[in-house]
Amino acid sequence: SFDLTQPPSVSVSPGQTATITCSGNKLGNRYAYWYQQKPGQSPVLIIYRDTMRPSGIPERFSGSTSGNTATLTISGTQAVDEADYYCQSWDSSYVVFGGGTKLTVL
Amino acid sequence: QVQLVESGGGLVKPGGSLRLSCAASGFTLSDSNMGWIRQAPGKGLEWVSDISRSGGTTYYKDSVRGRFTVSRDNAKNALYLHMNSLRADDTGIYYCARSIVVAGPLDWYFDLWGRGTLLTVSS
Repeated sequence: SFDLTQPPSVSVSPGQTATITCSGNKLGNRYAYWYQQKPGQSPVLIIYRDTMRPSGIPERFSGSTSGNTATLTISGTQAVDEADYYCQSWDSSYVVFGGGTKLTVL
Repeated sequence: QVQLVESGGGLVKPGGSLRLSCAASGFTLSDSNMGWIRQAPGKGLEWVSDISRSGGTTYYKDSVRGRFTVSRDNAKNALYLHMNSLRADDTGIYYCARSIVVAGPLDWYFDLWGRGTLLTVSS
């Protein structure tokens, strides 16, 4: 099977840089995607194809990969960025999500 | 306005059946693969199923295969999830989402999500 592992929680001070990792044994051969979900809301795609930002997503969100680990970086984190973040990838005939990371801005 | 609106959720007894619907607007449904993703209360996202543009190819999470059936009616701009033999662990918010699948797939992700509909399986 193909599992994606994220830290359950990350804390960051306003204005600082937050990094959220996503590890999976096949990520080196697959694209990673990232979603942001605020309380009571639907997920929103914020990164696709490892590093690409959809239209309307602020530049402070960026993605990178190294080996079997994908990383979401939020530069100059703002209070509005407090949310759950999920990585996602796929295998032959199914989609897999990471367990999610709760980002706290304090 | 490009949007997806789910409906059909509710309270169902274990072993029961339900059909969820998803109405698409602002884009041509037949141009897109579509997917269902669920989220148990207080838990993370879990992919459930996907269907190709024509409906000819479907994919399922192992735990729902044989119990759930995804279908679509492109003429009505609608997506469906027929659920049978429901279990308590099927409880959650069910989101429909536009599925971007490129080349085989090289890409497989979701760029547009609905607000979700809540399914509760309980006696």
